[in-house]
Amino acid sequence: AAGVIQSPRHLIKEKRETATLKCYPIPRHDTVYWYQQGPGQDPQFLISFYEKMQSDKGSIPDRFSAQQFSDYHSELNMSSLELGDSALYFCASSPGRGGSYNEQFFGPGTRLTVL
Amino acid sequence: QQQVKQSPQSLIVQKGGISIINCAYENTAFDYFPWYQQFPGKGPALLIAIRPDVSEKKEGRFTISFNKSAKQFSLHIMDSQPGDSATYFCAATTDSWGKLQFGAGTQVVVTP
Repeated sequence: AAGVIQSPRHLIKEKRETATLKCYPIPRHDTVYWYQQGPGQDPQFLISFYEKMQSDKGSIPDRFSAQQFSDYHSELNMSSLELGDSALYFCASSPGRGGSYNEQFFGPGTRLTVL
Repeated sequence: QQQVKQSPQSLIVQKGGISIINCAYENTAFDYFPWYQQFPGKGPALLIAIRPDVSEKKEGRFTISFNKSAKQFSLHIMDSQPGDSATYFCAATTDSWGKLQFGAGTQVVVTP
């Protein structure tokens, strides 16, 4: 079965650089979530999109922005990278609005390292 | 501030034993409580989930017990196997948009 695809899987950047993470949801899933997981920590919700519109926003820094495109893939853009941005970034998708209605399926994650 | 409190932080259990992980919450608006299993370098995968109108749900060797009045829920892994060695996260969501509030995670190690 098709799963959530994330690219790149690994990314190394210098401080103050920019990074773009991509997420391709499972076909026919119209909701995308982004989570950040620091070393040894639980995933923290960043932002979500439903039908290409932002549906919810969590603790996402102003330096980050995201969008969902017409083909439902999503991109997380991160600027002025800081050392503390080093983390695993997960994308999850669900059919419909997720939560208590639909399961979220997580991708394999992008490991971002900021030097 | 962690909205879902999870314990223990780590757990070592012998093969065939029972692993028990506990979670507690304060927000009574939470209406969906999933458990996720995560292996190193992988994304979390849904294991089992429960809604507050049910006190227990069992799927294979995995059982969720839910106590609405105490605002607590727990995961029991029966007949634990070495392949169950992973980090387990409880989670909760309060609304239909589905952002998950995770517990801090429990690293389970099952010894042969």
